[in-house]
Amino acid sequence: DIQMTQSPSTLSASVGDRVTITCRASQSISRWLAWYQQKPGKAPKLLISSASTVESGVPSRFSGSGSGTEFTLTISSLQPDDFATYHCQQYNTYSPVTFGQGTKLEI
Amino acid sequence: QVQLQESGPGLVKPSQTLSLICTVSGDSISSGNYYYNWIRQPAGKGLEWIGRIYTSGSTDYNPSLKSRVTISLDTSKNQFSLRLGSVTDSDTAIYYCATAPLGTFFDSWGLGTLVTVSS
Repeated sequence: DIQMTQSPSTLSASVGDRVTITCRASQSISRWLAWYQQKPGKAPKLLISSASTVESGVPSRFSGSGSGTEFTLTISSLQPDDFATYHCQQYNTYSPVTFGQGTKLEI
Repeated sequence: QVQLQESGPGLVKPSQTLSLICTVSGDSISSGNYYYNWIRQPAGKGLEWIGRIYTSGSTDYNPSLKSRVTISLDTSKNQFSLRLGSVTDSDTAIYYCATAPLGTFFDSWGLGTLVTVSS
Protein backbone atom coordinates (compact mmCIF):
# COMPACT_ATOMS: atom_id res chain seq x y z
CA ASP A 1 0.00 0.00 0.00
CA ILE A 2 1.02 3.60 -0.54
CA GLN A 3 1.78 5.38 2.73
CA MET A 4 0.86 9.05 3.07
CA THR A 5 2.72 11.21 5.58
CA GLN A 6 1.52 14.69 6.49
CA SER A 7 3.56 17.35 8.19
CA PRO A 8 3.27 18.95 10.55
CA SER A 9 0.82 16.99 12.71
CA THR A 10 -0.19 20.18 14.45
CA LEU A 11 0.21 23.73 13.22
CA SER A 12 -0.35 26.83 15.30
CA ALA A 13 -1.13 29.99 13.35
CA SER A 14 -2.99 33.28 13.52
CA VAL A 15 -5.71 34.92 11.45
CA GLY A 16 -4.14 36.43 8.36
CA ASP A 17 -1.16 34.04 8.28
CA ARG A 18 -0.14 32.13 5.18
CA VAL A 19 0.19 28.43 6.02
CA THR A 20 1.39 25.38 4.15
CA ILE A 21 0.72 21.73 4.91
CA THR A 22 2.79 19.02 3.23
CA CYS A 23 1.78 15.51 2.22
CA ARG A 24 4.34 12.97 1.03
CA ALA A 25 3.59 9.67 -0.69
CA SER A 26 5.76 6.58 -0.29
CA GLN A 27 5.77 6.18 -4.09
CA SER A 28 4.72 8.26 -7.05
CA ILE A 29 1.00 8.92 -7.35
CA SER A 30 1.21 11.36 -10.27
CA ARG A 31 -1.40 13.99 -9.34
CA TRP A 32 -3.95 11.61 -7.83
CA LEU A 33 -4.28 13.50 -4.56
CA ALA A 34 -7.17 15.13 -2.72
CA TRP A 35 -7.36 17.42 0.31
CA TYR A 36 -10.19 17.54 2.84
CA GLN A 37 -11.13 19.87 5.69
CA GLN A 38 -12.76 18.37 8.79
CA LYS A 39 -14.28 20.27 11.68
CA PRO A 40 -15.05 18.65 15.05
CA GLY A 41 -18.10 16.39 14.92
CA LYS A 42 -18.45 16.78 11.16
CA ALA A 43 -17.67 14.71 8.10
CA PRO A 44 -14.69 15.69 5.97
CA LYS A 45 -15.34 18.17 3.19
CA LEU A 46 -13.57 17.90 -0.18
CA LEU A 47 -11.45 20.98 -0.90
CA ILE A 48 -9.10 19.99 -3.71
CA SER A 49 -8.82 17.09 -6.15
CA SER A 50 -6.18 16.12 -8.71
CA ALA A 51 -3.62 17.90 -6.52
CA SER A 52 -4.64 21.42 -7.56
CA THR A 53 -8.29 21.53 -8.71
CA VAL A 54 -10.21 23.59 -6.18
CA GLU A 55 -13.78 22.41 -5.73
CA SER A 56 -16.66 24.72 -6.50
CA GLY A 57 -17.58 26.90 -3.54
CA VAL A 58 -14.20 26.58 -1.83
CA PRO A 59 -12.66 30.00 -1.11
CA SER A 60 -9.87 31.08 -3.43
CA ARG A 61 -7.43 31.38 -0.52
CA PHE A 62 -7.09 27.58 -0.68
CA SER A 63 -4.67 26.17 -3.24
CA GLY A 64 -2.88 22.91 -3.87
CA SER A 65 0.25 21.96 -5.73
CA GLY A 66 2.65 19.10 -6.34
CA SER A 67 3.02 15.89 -8.23
CA GLY A 68 4.77 12.56 -7.86
CA THR A 69 5.47 12.15 -4.16
CA GLU A 70 5.30 15.64 -2.65
CA PHE A 71 2.23 17.83 -2.36
CA THR A 72 1.24 20.99 -0.52
CA LEU A 73 -1.97 22.64 0.61
CA THR A 74 -1.66 26.40 1.08
CA ILE A 75 -4.06 28.78 2.74
CA SER A 76 -3.02 32.26 1.68
CA SER A 77 -4.63 34.26 4.49
CA LEU A 78 -6.11 32.31 7.37
CA GLN A 79 -9.66 33.09 8.36
CA PRO A 80 -11.34 32.07 11.65
CA ASP A 81 -13.40 29.45 9.79
CA ASP A 82 -10.23 27.69 8.57
CA PHE A 83 -9.17 26.32 11.93
CA ALA A 84 -9.81 22.61 11.45
CA THR A 85 -8.07 19.34 10.66
CA TYR A 86 -6.85 18.76 7.11
CA HIS A 87 -6.40 15.34 5.51
CA CYS A 88 -4.72 14.31 2.30
CA GLN A 89 -5.80 11.20 0.36
CA GLN A 90 -4.23 9.37 -2.55
CA TYR A 91 -6.27 7.55 -5.17
CA ASN A 92 -3.70 5.95 -7.41
CA THR A 93 -5.48 3.48 -9.65
CA TYR A 94 -3.53 0.36 -8.77
CA SER A 95 -3.41 0.76 -5.01
CA PRO A 96 -5.97 0.88 -2.20
CA VAL A 97 -7.03 4.35 -1.16
CA THR A 98 -5.03 5.71 1.77
CA PHE A 99 -5.13 8.90 3.84
CA GLY A 100 -2.53 10.92 5.67
CA GLN A 101 -2.76 11.02 9.45
CA GLY A 102 -4.17 14.55 9.43
CA THR A 103 -2.88 18.03 10.33
CA LYS A 104 -4.65 19.96 13.04
CA LEU A 105 -4.56 23.70 12.36
CA GLU A 106 -5.09 25.59 15.59
CA ILE A 107 -5.00 29.15 16.79
CA GLN B 1 -25.45 16.67 -5.04
CA VAL B 2 -25.93 13.22 -3.60
CA GLN B 3 -27.05 12.91 0.01
CA LEU B 4 -26.11 9.94 2.14
CA GLN B 5 -27.22 8.77 5.58
CA GLU B 6 -25.80 5.96 7.67
CA SER B 7 -27.94 3.85 9.97
CA GLY B 8 -27.43 0.86 12.21
CA PRO B 9 -26.72 -0.25 15.78
CA GLY B 10 -24.50 2.00 17.80
CA LEU B 11 -23.29 -0.81 20.05
CA VAL B 12 -21.89 -4.18 19.00
CA LYS B 13 -20.48 -6.91 21.23
CA PRO B 14 -16.96 -8.21 20.70
CA SER B 15 -16.69 -11.10 18.23
CA GLN B 16 -20.05 -10.22 16.68
CA THR B 17 -20.78 -8.63 13.29
CA LEU B 18 -21.14 -4.90 12.73
CA SER B 19 -23.85 -4.08 10.18
CA LEU B 20 -24.55 -0.64 8.74
CA ILE B 21 -26.70 0.69 5.92
CA CYS B 22 -26.17 3.79 3.81
CA THR B 23 -29.26 5.28 2.20
CA VAL B 24 -28.58 7.31 -0.93
CA SER B 25 -30.77 10.12 -2.25
CA GLY B 26 -30.32 12.50 -5.14
CA ASP B 27 -29.03 9.81 -7.50
CA SER B 28 -29.80 6.22 -8.34
CA ILE B 29 -27.10 3.78 -7.26
CA SER B 30 -27.84 1.99 -10.53
CA SER B 31 -26.75 5.06 -12.53
CA GLY B 32 -23.08 4.09 -12.67
CA ASN B 33 -21.95 7.60 -11.70
CA TYR B 34 -20.16 6.62 -8.51
CA TYR B 35 -18.36 4.06 -6.47
CA TYR B 36 -19.98 3.73 -3.04
CA ASN B 37 -17.57 3.62 -0.13
CA TRP B 38 -17.25 3.01 3.58
CA ILE B 39 -14.65 4.93 5.60
CA ARG B 40 -14.07 4.96 9.34
CA GLN B 41 -12.36 7.16 11.89
CA PRO B 42 -11.49 6.12 15.45
CA ALA B 43 -11.82 8.92 17.98
CA GLY B 44 -8.98 11.41 17.64
CA LYS B 45 -7.38 9.52 14.77
CA GLY B 46 -7.14 9.61 11.00
CA LEU B 47 -9.41 8.26 8.29
CA GLU B 48 -9.29 4.64 7.14
CA TRP B 49 -10.85 3.47 3.89
CA ILE B 50 -12.73 0.20 4.40
CA GLY B 51 -13.91 -0.62 0.89
CA ARG B 52 -16.18 0.20 -2.03
CA ILE B 53 -18.77 -1.20 -4.39
CA TYR B 54 -19.78 -0.25 -7.89
CA THR B 55 -23.15 -0.47 -9.62
CA SER B 56 -22.10 -3.76 -11.21
CA GLY B 57 -21.62 -5.25 -7.76
CA SER B 58 -17.83 -5.41 -8.04
CA THR B 59 -16.04 -4.68 -4.79
CA ASP B 60 -12.62 -3.62 -3.54
CA TYR B 61 -11.55 -3.84 0.07
CA ASN B 62 -8.75 -2.55 2.26
CA PRO B 63 -6.31 -5.47 2.44
CA SER B 64 -6.03 -5.05 6.21
CA LEU B 65 -9.78 -5.68 6.63
CA LYS B 66 -10.56 -7.82 3.61
CA SER B 67 -11.02 -11.09 5.47
CA ARG B 68 -13.77 -9.58 7.65
CA VAL B 69 -15.59 -7.15 5.32
CA THR B 70 -18.54 -7.49 2.96
CA ILE B 71 -20.10 -4.56 1.09
CA SER B 72 -23.29 -5.09 -0.86
CA LEU B 73 -25.94 -3.16 -2.81
CA ASP B 74 -29.72 -3.07 -2.55
CA THR B 75 -30.80 -1.28 -5.70
CA SER B 76 -34.51 -1.60 -4.88
CA LYS B 77 -33.98 0.55 -1.78
CA ASN B 78 -31.15 2.69 -3.20
CA GLN B 79 -28.94 1.54 -0.35
CA PHE B 80 -25.60 -0.10 0.18
CA SER B 81 -24.43 -1.88 3.28
CA LEU B 82 -21.38 -2.84 5.31
CA ARG B 83 -20.80 -5.99 7.31
CA LEU B 84 -17.66 -6.30 9.43
CA GLY B 85 -17.23 -9.58 11.24
CA SER B 86 -15.38 -10.66 14.38
CA VAL B 87 -15.21 -7.12 15.74
CA THR B 88 -12.91 -6.05 18.57
CA ASP B 89 -12.38 -2.83 20.54
CA SER B 90 -10.19 -1.52 17.73
CA ASP B 91 -13.23 -1.41 15.42
CA THR B 92 -14.83 1.28 17.59
CA ALA B 93 -15.07 4.32 15.32
CA ILE B 94 -17.26 6.76 13.46
CA TYR B 95 -18.29 5.06 10.23
CA TYR B 96 -18.97 7.17 7.16
CA CYS B 97 -20.41 6.29 3.78
CA ALA B 98 -19.23 8.36 0.82
CA THR B 99 -19.42 8.56 -2.96
CA ALA B 100 -16.41 8.62 -5.26
CA PRO B 101 -16.78 9.49 -8.95
CA LEU B 102 -14.90 6.89 -10.98
CA GLY B 103 -13.48 5.56 -7.74
CA THR B 104 -11.32 8.56 -7.01
CA PHE B 105 -11.80 11.21 -4.31
CA PHE B 106 -14.80 11.39 -1.98
CA ASP B 107 -17.14 14.17 -2.99
CA SER B 108 -20.21 13.48 -0.83
CA TRP B 109 -20.24 12.11 2.70
CA GLY B 110 -22.85 10.98 5.17
CA LEU B 111 -22.94 12.56 8.62
CA GLY B 112 -21.29 9.50 10.12
CA THR B 113 -22.46 7.08 12.79
CA LEU B 114 -20.59 6.09 15.93
CA VAL B 115 -20.24 2.37 16.48
CA THR B 116 -18.87 1.21 19.82
CA VAL B 117 -17.63 -2.33 20.35
CA SER B 118 -18.19 -3.29 23.96
CA SER B 119 -19.64 -6.10 26.01
